[in-house]
Amino acid sequence: GENVEQHPSTLSVQEGDSAVIKCTYSDSASNYFPWYKQELGKRPQLIIDIRSNVGEKKDQRIAVTLNKTAKHFSLHITETQPEDSAVYFCAARTPEFGEKLTFGTGTRLTIIP
Amino acid sequence: DAGVTQSPTHLIKTRGQQVTLRCSPKSGHDTVSWYQQALGQGPQFIFQYYEEEERQRGNFPDRFSGHQFPNYSSELNVNALLLGDSALYLCASGYRYWPGELFFGEGSRLTVL
Repeated sequence: GENVEQHPSTLSVQEGDSAVIKCTYSDSASNYFPWYKQELGKRPQLIIDIRSNVGEKKDQRIAVTLNKTAKHFSLHITETQPEDSAVYFCAARTPEFGEKLTFGTGTRLTIIP
Repeated sequence: DAGVTQSPTHLIKTRGQQVTLRCSPKSGHDTVSWYQQALGQGPQFIFQYYEEEERQRGNFPDRFSGHQFPNYSSELNVNALLLGDSALYLCASGYRYWPGELFFGEGSRLTVL
Protein backbone atom coordinates (compact mmCIF):
# COMPACT_ATOMS: atom_id res chain seq x y z
CA GLY A 1 0.00 0.00 0.00
CA GLU A 2 0.85 3.67 -0.08
CA ASN A 3 3.41 5.05 2.35
CA VAL A 4 3.85 8.77 2.99
CA GLU A 5 6.88 10.22 4.77
CA GLN A 6 6.87 13.79 6.05
CA HIS A 7 9.74 16.05 7.16
CA PRO A 8 10.56 17.80 9.36
CA SER A 9 8.58 16.66 12.38
CA THR A 10 8.99 20.08 14.03
CA LEU A 11 9.73 23.46 12.49
CA SER A 12 10.18 26.86 14.10
CA VAL A 13 10.37 30.00 11.99
CA GLN A 14 10.45 33.68 12.73
CA GLU A 15 7.25 35.56 11.99
CA GLY A 16 7.37 36.87 8.43
CA ASP A 17 9.77 34.20 7.22
CA SER A 18 8.83 31.27 4.97
CA ALA A 19 8.19 27.67 6.00
CA VAL A 20 8.58 24.58 3.83
CA ILE A 21 7.32 21.09 4.65
CA LYS A 22 8.19 18.14 2.44
CA CYS A 23 6.52 14.78 1.81
CA THR A 24 7.40 11.76 -0.28
CA TYR A 25 5.05 9.01 -1.38
CA SER A 26 5.67 5.48 -2.57
CA ASP A 27 2.82 4.60 -4.96
CA SER A 28 3.30 6.15 -8.39
CA ALA A 29 -0.43 5.66 -9.03
CA SER A 30 -1.34 8.24 -6.35
CA ASN A 31 -3.01 11.20 -8.01
CA TYR A 32 -4.32 13.53 -5.28
CA PHE A 33 -2.31 15.25 -2.57
CA PRO A 34 -4.07 17.36 0.07
CA TRP A 35 -2.59 19.28 2.97
CA TYR A 36 -4.42 19.60 6.27
CA LYS A 37 -3.86 22.01 9.15
CA GLN A 38 -4.81 20.82 12.61
CA GLU A 39 -4.86 23.14 15.59
CA LEU A 40 -4.76 21.70 19.08
CA GLY A 41 -7.98 19.88 19.86
CA LYS A 42 -9.51 20.76 16.50
CA ARG A 43 -10.39 18.93 13.32
CA PRO A 44 -7.97 18.61 10.39
CA GLN A 45 -8.81 21.42 8.00
CA LEU A 46 -8.09 21.17 4.28
CA ILE A 47 -5.93 24.15 3.33
CA ILE A 48 -4.77 23.31 -0.17
CA ASP A 49 -4.60 20.32 -2.50
CA ILE A 50 -3.07 19.37 -5.81
CA ARG A 51 -3.87 16.74 -8.40
CA SER A 52 -1.28 14.87 -10.41
CA ASN A 53 -1.94 16.73 -13.65
CA VAL A 54 -0.70 19.97 -12.08
CA GLY A 55 2.83 20.85 -10.94
CA GLU A 56 2.08 23.82 -8.71
CA LYS A 57 -0.90 25.48 -7.06
CA LYS A 58 -1.04 28.68 -5.05
CA ASP A 59 -3.62 30.22 -2.75
CA GLN A 60 -2.54 33.56 -1.27
CA ARG A 61 0.36 32.81 1.11
CA ILE A 62 0.18 29.05 0.63
CA ALA A 63 1.53 27.03 -2.29
CA VAL A 64 2.02 23.36 -3.03
CA THR A 65 4.43 21.87 -5.56
CA LEU A 66 4.41 18.34 -6.93
CA ASN A 67 7.23 16.42 -8.56
CA LYS A 68 5.72 13.20 -9.92
CA THR A 69 9.03 11.84 -11.16
CA ALA A 70 10.63 12.08 -7.74
CA LYS A 71 7.32 11.28 -5.98
CA HIS A 72 7.47 14.19 -3.63
CA PHE A 73 5.38 17.25 -2.88
CA SER A 74 5.92 20.27 -0.68
CA LEU A 75 3.93 22.90 1.19
CA HIS A 76 5.25 26.46 1.14
CA ILE A 77 3.93 29.13 3.50
CA THR A 78 5.22 32.65 2.93
CA GLU A 79 5.04 35.69 5.24
CA THR A 80 4.20 33.44 8.19
CA GLN A 81 1.92 34.73 10.93
CA PRO A 82 1.34 33.52 14.52
CA GLU A 83 -1.98 31.97 13.48
CA ASP A 84 -0.07 29.64 11.15
CA SER A 85 1.17 27.76 14.22
CA ALA A 86 -0.38 24.28 14.08
CA VAL A 87 0.33 20.70 13.04
CA TYR A 88 0.34 20.20 9.28
CA PHE A 89 -0.34 16.84 7.63
CA CYS A 90 0.26 15.84 4.06
CA ALA A 91 -1.67 12.98 2.51
CA ALA A 92 -1.92 10.98 -0.69
CA ARG A 93 -4.76 9.19 -2.42
CA THR A 94 -4.46 6.21 -4.74
CA PRO A 95 -7.50 5.67 -7.02
CA GLU A 96 -7.38 1.92 -6.43
CA PHE A 97 -8.37 2.54 -2.82
CA GLY A 98 -11.28 4.89 -3.36
CA GLU A 99 -11.27 7.87 -1.03
CA LYS A 100 -8.71 6.43 1.37
CA LEU A 101 -6.12 9.03 2.28
CA THR A 102 -2.73 7.93 3.60
CA PHE A 103 -1.37 10.59 5.92
CA GLY A 104 2.13 11.62 6.84
CA THR A 105 3.19 11.79 10.46
CA GLY A 106 2.72 15.54 10.75
CA THR A 107 4.87 18.65 11.18
CA ARG A 108 4.46 20.87 14.21
CA LEU A 109 5.00 24.41 12.95
CA THR A 110 5.71 27.13 15.49
CA ILE A 111 5.83 30.78 14.44
CA ILE A 112 8.05 32.85 16.72
CA PRO A 113 6.72 36.43 17.13
CA ASP B 1 -24.33 25.33 5.62
CA ALA B 2 -23.54 22.81 8.34
CA GLY B 3 -20.23 21.06 8.08
CA VAL B 4 -19.52 17.53 9.25
CA THR B 5 -21.01 16.94 12.68
CA GLN B 6 -20.04 14.18 15.09
CA SER B 7 -21.34 12.95 18.42
CA PRO B 8 -20.51 12.51 21.18
CA THR B 9 -17.49 14.81 21.46
CA HIS B 10 -15.97 12.97 24.41
CA LEU B 11 -16.64 9.65 26.05
CA ILE B 12 -15.03 7.31 28.54
CA LYS B 13 -15.46 3.55 28.43
CA THR B 14 -13.88 0.58 30.16
CA ARG B 15 -12.13 -2.37 28.55
CA GLY B 16 -14.51 -4.88 27.00
CA GLN B 17 -17.34 -2.40 26.51
CA GLN B 18 -18.83 -1.37 23.20
CA VAL B 19 -19.14 2.12 21.74
CA THR B 20 -21.13 3.75 18.94
CA LEU B 21 -20.05 7.02 17.35
CA ARG B 22 -22.22 9.04 14.99
CA CYS B 23 -21.57 11.31 12.03
CA SER B 24 -23.63 13.53 9.76
CA PRO B 25 -21.90 14.51 6.53
CA LYS B 26 -21.62 17.96 5.05
CA SER B 27 -24.64 19.00 3.03
CA GLY B 28 -24.35 17.70 -0.54
CA HIS B 29 -21.90 14.94 0.36
CA ASP B 30 -22.73 11.27 -0.05
CA THR B 31 -19.65 9.42 1.21
CA VAL B 32 -18.44 8.98 4.76
CA SER B 33 -15.02 7.78 5.86
CA TRP B 34 -13.82 7.08 9.38
CA TYR B 35 -10.30 7.66 10.66
CA GLN B 36 -8.56 6.92 13.94
CA GLN B 37 -6.04 9.48 15.18
CA ALA B 38 -3.84 8.45 18.09
CA LEU B 39 -2.13 11.19 20.06
CA GLY B 40 0.72 12.76 18.11
CA GLN B 41 0.05 10.77 14.93
CA GLY B 42 -1.65 11.25 11.61
CA PRO B 43 -5.15 9.91 10.98
CA GLN B 44 -5.37 6.22 10.03
CA PHE B 45 -8.08 5.09 7.61
CA ILE B 46 -10.65 2.69 9.09
CA PHE B 47 -13.25 2.38 6.34
CA GLN B 48 -15.39 4.25 3.84
CA TYR B 49 -19.12 4.05 3.09
CA TYR B 50 -21.29 5.14 0.24
CA GLU B 51 -24.65 3.90 -0.98
CA GLU B 52 -25.00 2.29 2.45
CA GLU B 53 -22.18 -0.19 1.81
CA GLU B 54 -18.62 -0.49 3.08
CA ARG B 55 -16.43 0.19 0.05
CA GLN B 56 -12.88 0.27 1.36
CA ARG B 57 -11.35 -0.91 4.61
CA GLY B 58 -8.04 -0.21 6.27
CA ASN B 59 -6.03 -2.49 8.55
CA PHE B 60 -8.47 -2.62 11.43
CA PRO B 61 -9.93 -5.77 13.04
CA ASP B 62 -13.53 -6.87 12.70
CA ARG B 63 -14.24 -5.32 16.10
CA PHE B 64 -14.60 -2.12 14.11
CA SER B 65 -17.81 -2.02 12.11
CA GLY B 66 -19.98 0.63 10.62
CA HIS B 67 -23.17 1.56 8.93
CA GLN B 68 -24.45 4.22 6.58
CA PHE B 69 -28.10 5.26 6.58
CA PRO B 70 -30.24 6.39 3.63
CA ASN B 71 -29.74 10.04 4.67
CA TYR B 72 -25.94 9.48 4.31
CA SER B 73 -25.27 9.70 8.05
CA SER B 74 -23.07 7.02 9.52
CA GLU B 75 -22.17 5.15 12.67
CA LEU B 76 -18.91 3.59 13.79
CA ASN B 77 -19.16 0.72 16.25
CA VAL B 78 -16.25 -0.70 18.21
CA ASN B 79 -16.75 -3.88 20.23
CA ALA B 80 -14.63 -5.41 22.99
CA LEU B 81 -12.75 -2.17 23.61
CA LEU B 82 -9.02 -2.30 24.30
CA LEU B 83 -6.86 0.32 25.96
CA GLY B 84 -5.21 0.87 22.59
CA ASP B 85 -8.51 1.99 21.09
CA SER B 86 -8.18 5.27 22.98
CA ALA B 87 -7.94 7.90 20.24
CA LEU B 88 -9.70 10.69 18.40
CA TYR B 89 -12.16 9.21 15.90
CA LEU B 90 -12.67 11.44 12.92
CA CYS B 91 -15.44 11.30 10.38
CA ALA B 92 -14.83 12.76 6.94
CA SER B 93 -17.39 13.32 4.22
CA GLY B 94 -16.97 13.71 0.50
CA TYR B 95 -18.69 13.55 -2.87
CA ARG B 96 -18.18 10.26 -4.69
CA TYR B 97 -17.76 11.92 -8.08
CA TRP B 98 -14.97 14.19 -6.77
CA PRO B 99 -12.93 11.62 -4.86
CA GLY B 100 -10.28 12.50 -2.36
CA GLU B 101 -11.47 15.94 -1.24
CA LEU B 102 -12.57 15.19 2.29
CA PHE B 103 -13.91 17.45 5.02
CA PHE B 104 -13.45 16.34 8.60
CA GLY B 105 -15.65 16.70 11.64
CA GLU B 106 -14.33 17.77 15.05
CA GLY B 107 -14.05 14.16 16.12
CA SER B 108 -15.09 11.99 19.05
CA ARG B 109 -12.40 11.54 21.67
CA LEU B 110 -12.63 8.05 23.15
CA THR B 111 -10.80 7.14 26.34
CA VAL B 112 -10.72 3.47 27.33
CA LEU B 113 -9.83 2.76 30.96
